Amino acid sequence: QVQLRESGPGLVKPSETLSLTCTVSGYSISSTYYWGWIRQPPGKGLEWIGSIYRSGSTYYNPSLKSRVTISVDTSKNQFSLKLSSVTATDTAVYYCVRGALMVVTARFDCWGLGNLVTVSS
Amino acid sequence: DIQLTQSPSFLSASVGDRVTITCRASQDISSYLAWYQQKPGKAPKVLIYAASTLESGVPSRFSGSGSGTDFTLTISSLQPEDFATYYCQQFNSYVPLTFGGGTKVEIK
Repeated sequence: QVQLRESGPGLVKPSETLSLTCTVSGYSISSTYYWGWIRQPPGKGLEWIGSIYRSGSTYYNPSLKSRVTISVDTSKNQFSLKLSSVTATDTAVYYCVRGALMVVTARFDCWGLGNLVTVSS
Repeated sequence: DIQLTQSPSFLSASVGDRVTITCRASQDISSYLAWYQQKPGKAPKVLIYAASTLESGVPSRFSGSGSGTDFTLTISSLQPEDFATYYCQQFNSYVPLTFGGGTKVEIK
């Protein structure tokens, strides 16, 4: 059974960099599928942040692209998110996800439990 | 960006009711649409992909239809565990991938 688990600080100061890691179990991230991040501000809807393929190809939401880096560590079966220069508007639950993209069967079929990150001094 | 507009944003229904949620895309997305269910404090769960294909393990009372710009999610007989928020998501244009604003289904 595939499981994804986010880890990282729950509190980040304004202007600093938010860093989260997703550990994948039950499936090799070197295989097929894209791996990515989606966030949800408290009481609001879902926003796709970006995705990465095993080759290292990345796709970012243009609204965040200048501040986002997603990377993969296949040796640890993990992938990571870095979001720089955070403000209070980046406060959200951050989910790591597995997705099939660029195919008619595209969807995000596995999600982590979510990690609430609050941006505050 | 492709905008997805869901309606209604909120609906109140009773157990056993037939419920329909619509999702309209700002441009043609073919059948590259998925539906998710999210319960409070939980991660979303995919219900439907490719507009009308039921994800494995999802009850058959859920169904999806549509193509192009207009899509629907139907729950044929609402069950107590179906009270949740539902989101559509398009995969036709992946920069960026976008979600609808959500439809909250509450108990009447």
